[in-house]
Amino acid sequence: EDKVVQSPLSLVVHEGDTVTLNCSYEVTNFRSLLWYKQEKKAPTFLFMLTSSGIEKKSGRLSSILDKKELFSILNITATQTGDSAIYLCAVATTDSWGKLQFGAGTQVVVTP
Amino acid sequence: DGGITQSPKYLFRKEGQNVTLSCEQNLNHDAMYWYRQDPGQGLRLIYYSQIVNDFQKGDIAEGYSVSREKKESFPLTVTSAQKNPTAFYLCASSPAGGAFSEQYFGPGTRLTVT
Repeated sequence: EDKVVQSPLSLVVHEGDTVTLNCSYEVTNFRSLLWYKQEKKAPTFLFMLTSSGIEKKSGRLSSILDKKELFSILNITATQTGDSAIYLCAVATTDSWGKLQFGAGTQVVVTP
Repeated sequence: DGGITQSPKYLFRKEGQNVTLSCEQNLNHDAMYWYRQDPGQGLRLIYYSQIVNDFQKGDIAEGYSVSREKKESFPLTVTSAQKNPTAFYLCASSPAGGAFSEQYFGPGTRLTVT
């Protein structure tokens, strides 16, 4: 059975800290790994990772995939209160058409 | 503006009643999805549709039904057979075809059944 596990489940940091979120997966026929940010409502897309070792960056957020060890990390540097959200990791496989398997998410709270 | 709309934002129902959640998209996407989100469990797939007049069960389809009569619309009915219907429901869409793409989400409907 395919599995996507995120850790930690929640964390609280102070503004300015750096946060590292983990997503490990056990799936057959891996295609891509996606990160989403969910504030109050709709998850918004952050990154899609398909190749190992290539870092994707967007402002203070970055992410990388390790297909040998089957995990991805999402880094947030110089955190701000607006980074408070649930961060969701999802995996797509080549045999599941467009379907995504989601992890439970990591709740991040950034305090002033 | 292109996007996905879900209505209503909040919905309250008595146990034993069927309820239909609306999902509309004007992104011209072929594929649409329904997810359920419970605290600490991430998103779980209920139903998905790759094309008009076709849909497939996801991981937790029992107690739910859908229809896809139009490309832009994918309503979800929560029936009285669903044992724990209280949850946050998210609709998503994506372009279909050979190239894989991320899914775009609507703002969600929070359903409370008492």
